[in-house]
Amino acid sequence: GAGVSQSPSNKVTEKGKDVELRCDPISGHTALYWYRQSLGQGLEFLIYFQGNSAPDKSGLPSDRFSAERTGGSVSTLTIQRTQQEDSAVYLCASSLRLAGQETQYFGPGTRLLVL
Amino acid sequence: EDQVTQSPEALRLQEGESSSLNCSYTVSGLRGLFWYRQDPGKGPEFLFTLYSAGEEKEKERLKATLTKKESFLHITAPKPEDSATYLCAVSPSGGGSQGNLIFGKGTKLSVKP
Repeated sequence: GAGVSQSPSNKVTEKGKDVELRCDPISGHTALYWYRQSLGQGLEFLIYFQGNSAPDKSGLPSDRFSAERTGGSVSTLTIQRTQQEDSAVYLCASSLRLAGQETQYFGPGTRLLVL
Repeated sequence: EDQVTQSPEALRLQEGESSSLNCSYTVSGLRGLFWYRQDPGKGPEFLFTLYSAGEEKEKERLKATLTKKESFLHITAPKPEDSATYLCAVSPSGGGSQGNLIFGKGTKLSVKP
């Protein structure tokens, strides 16, 4: 596709349920990032994938959060046993991750509401 | 600690009234500085990447500049369609960074006709 796509665009769930969020990066981009944007807060880094390297999970807020990237392309962010504080917009970005071509391009986001 | 601070938090302009948005940063080495525009309910839209002090980039009514400590986004003769939140982000090169961006909280710009 022309840009980064994410699904679903909106998700409403009940506290304690698990949710899966999907990201399709720009074709050919080796780096993929997940961020979280809460009301009144800046974008917060969650996790980063680069090629076949081990992901950088340093931004994940708890062990309820996990992510995988299959075949170096599509990524899924999973939140287990959701809590109300998990309500936020989850944004995915991809980049070439080359010197001089560092720009990250963002998808439209998934708006998660935990009731 | 790597940090990005944007000012002002909000800015109201009349159509045609030029102004500047500020982004101050503290990082252990800079891989790049990025400006994005974000409309309500949408993901950030890429505007500019700056890599070294003294660099400038322009696009329509927007011009971004970079020094060793801050970046400015200049808006010349803005129009109502320029209303959005403008986000600044840096990619640090030092420490354990793997290339994730550190974002400021943004400047919400409103341009009245």
